[in-house]
Amino acid sequence: EVQLVESGGGLVQPGGSLRISCAASGFTVSSNYMSWVRQGPGKGLEWVSVIYRSGITYYTDSVKGRFTISRDNSKNTLYLQMNSLRTEDTAVYYCARDVDGYGPFDYWGQGTLVTVSS
Amino acid sequence: QSALTQPASVSGSPGQSITISCTGTSIDVGGYNYVSWYQQHPGKAPKLMIYDVNNRPSGVSNRFSGSKSGNTASLTISGLQAEDEADYYCSSYTSTTPYVFGTGTKVTVL
Repeated sequence: EVQLVESGGGLVQPGGSLRISCAASGFTVSSNYMSWVRQGPGKGLEWVSVIYRSGITYYTDSVKGRFTISRDNSKNTLYLQMNSLRTEDTAVYYCARDVDGYGPFDYWGQGTLVTVSS
Repeated sequence: QSALTQPASVSGSPGQSITISCTGTSIDVGGYNYVSWYQQHPGKAPKLMIYDVNNRPSGVSNRFSGSKSGNTASLTISGLQAEDEADYYCSSYTSTTPYVFGTGTKVTVL
């Protein structure tokens, strides 16, 4: 059974850092296209970042230079390192799987809440 | 990359059909047949309902169908049921970002 379980969310001050994780089971992270998608309070879904099978990464403009997506193949886990956090980064962060790089996102985690506030 | 445009809300009575539009441009919806639709109930993760414009994953009711014309994709829910009340988001592959979501539509069953 495919499962994605996020962890690591919490409260952080503006300008701070946080790393969130997404542990996968039932499939191999490195054989898929793995994304982070976020949803601010009362807002819509926003794609944040993707790591391709090849290791190539992409980011939405608002997080470029601040966020880094990575994976640990030995742990079958996806990460998002978030630096220089801003209040507008407050959101539930979901990890999601895409099998072939064009969408769709067929499996999603339950999400982890990141709150950026002083 | 701007979000795809969806109506903020759509409503219908039980048993009726409703259609949600998703308008993009030639670099996303109009350029590729990689449009997907997601259903999200409050406090829950999104669920894939339609992929590649008009395909349903296993287990999704055949009351849900998708289509596309030019730069606009559509999701139709027929035989509307109380359990269909949720937020719906479209998404498309794009030649730039490479993914973009729609602004979201709240479906209300009257």
